[in-house]
Amino acid sequence: GEDVEQSLFLSVREGDSSVINCTYTDSSSTYLYWYKQEPGAGLQLLTYIFSNMDMKQDQRLTVLLNKKDKHLSLRIADTQTGDSAIYFCAENSSGTYKYIFGTGTRLKVLA
Amino acid sequence: GAVVSQHPSWVICKSGTSVKIECRSLDFQATTMFWYRQFPKQSLMLMATSNEGSKATYEQGVEKDKFLINHASLTLSTLTVTSAHPEDSSFYICSATNRGLSGNTIYFGEGSWLTVV
Repeated sequence: GEDVEQSLFLSVREGDSSVINCTYTDSSSTYLYWYKQEPGAGLQLLTYIFSNMDMKQDQRLTVLLNKKDKHLSLRIADTQTGDSAIYFCAENSSGTYKYIFGTGTRLKVLA
Repeated sequence: GAVVSQHPSWVICKSGTSVKIECRSLDFQATTMFWYRQFPKQSLMLMATSNEGSKATYEQGVEKDKFLINHASLTLSTLTVTSAHPEDSSFYICSATNRGLSGNTIYFGEGSWLTVV
């Protein structure tokens, strides 16, 4: 079945760049998403990328997609303490709203 | 972006009682709503998908008689945990979408913490 995997933890210093990685198995994925979850809160959509794109940039966020390797990454430039949270990648296929979520990466930003 | 609201944010109930959680789309009509469950430090597990006016579709392993889902209008879905037990304690998150939204995107509520004592 479909599977989405992420590394569990990432620690960076304030001001550095963070790169969160995600791999998925479903080759029919149409959209891939990055969500942020702060403690005890719901999920906030950060950005998404369509599968025919290689890169998408939105202010401090850069998403890279390697469809051949089924690898997705989220780069956060100039990471701030407020970026500390859990980041989930998710994928779904065209025609369905069923999302498959990764395990989440806990980002800790050190002052 | 689109706003989805859940209520209550926190609820404590006694074992054996039922508790209802509401999910509302505030600024769009949600043709489809989803209910997820999240255990501490784990990912989200999809419980069921509901389309307005029809019965919910439950994921494998989710008891539909225990987790009653109603999607009576285009802006409201409810999840009722019946005869709750301590093992039902979890973080429940709803999400909603409308086919008119761009990017096949769904938007999440803030989540509801359920503690069964």
